[in-house]
Amino acid sequence: AQSVAQPEDQVNVAEGNPLTVKCTYSVSGNPYLFWYVQYPNRGLQFLLKYITGDNLVKGSYGFEAEFNKSQTSFHLKKPSALVSDSALYFCAVRDMKLYNFNKFYFGSGTKLNVKP
Amino acid sequence: NAGVTQTPKFQVLKTGQSMTLQCAQDMNHNSMYWYRQDPGMGLRLIYYSASEGTTDKGEVPNGYNVSRLNKREFSLRLESAAPSQTSVYFCASSPRGRDTDTQYFGPGTRLTVL
Repeated sequence: AQSVAQPEDQVNVAEGNPLTVKCTYSVSGNPYLFWYVQYPNRGLQFLLKYITGDNLVKGSYGFEAEFNKSQTSFHLKKPSALVSDSALYFCAVRDMKLYNFNKFYFGSGTKLNVKP
Repeated sequence: NAGVTQTPKFQVLKTGQSMTLQCAQDMNHNSMYWYRQDPGMGLRLIYYSASEGTTDKGEVPNGYNVSRLNKREFSLRLESAAPSQTSVYFCASSPRGRDTDTQYFGPGTRLTVL
């Protein structure tokens, strides 16, 4: 079965410091991995995705994610956090079975708090 | 270009009542999805529609029905609401082609079942 895990419910970081939000995955075959962000009372917004190629993926708002096949991880990173980055972050994986190709599985979410 | 719209934004039901959540997208996307979001559980797929005229079950379909009315609209119906269906419901859509993996989400419907 396809799944993702986000081991941290909450991450606290000071503004200007680097941030990491962790995600590990379990899939059969090569994974399609995603990060989404949710601001309060809003729907999810796409940040970035890994399909193939370079293990470091760059996305919106200065975020990037590193794909690590040996550790089955896809951690979200940003070199310098902003207070406005405070939000709920979701990791997701696409089901790679052909008949389930339209199914996506989301992690439980990590709340990022960036303090001034 | 409104993207994905959902109505209503909020709804309170009594146990046993029925209702339909509406979703529409104006991006000419082929695929549409219904998710529910519960604290600590992330988003779980209820139903999806890969294209107009087709629908398939997701992880948690019990107690729900869907209709893909046309390419734009994908509705979710609760025939007999239960307190366990208290949740925030999100509709999403995705295109074909190069960007087929990216989902675009609506603002959500917050449903409370008493």
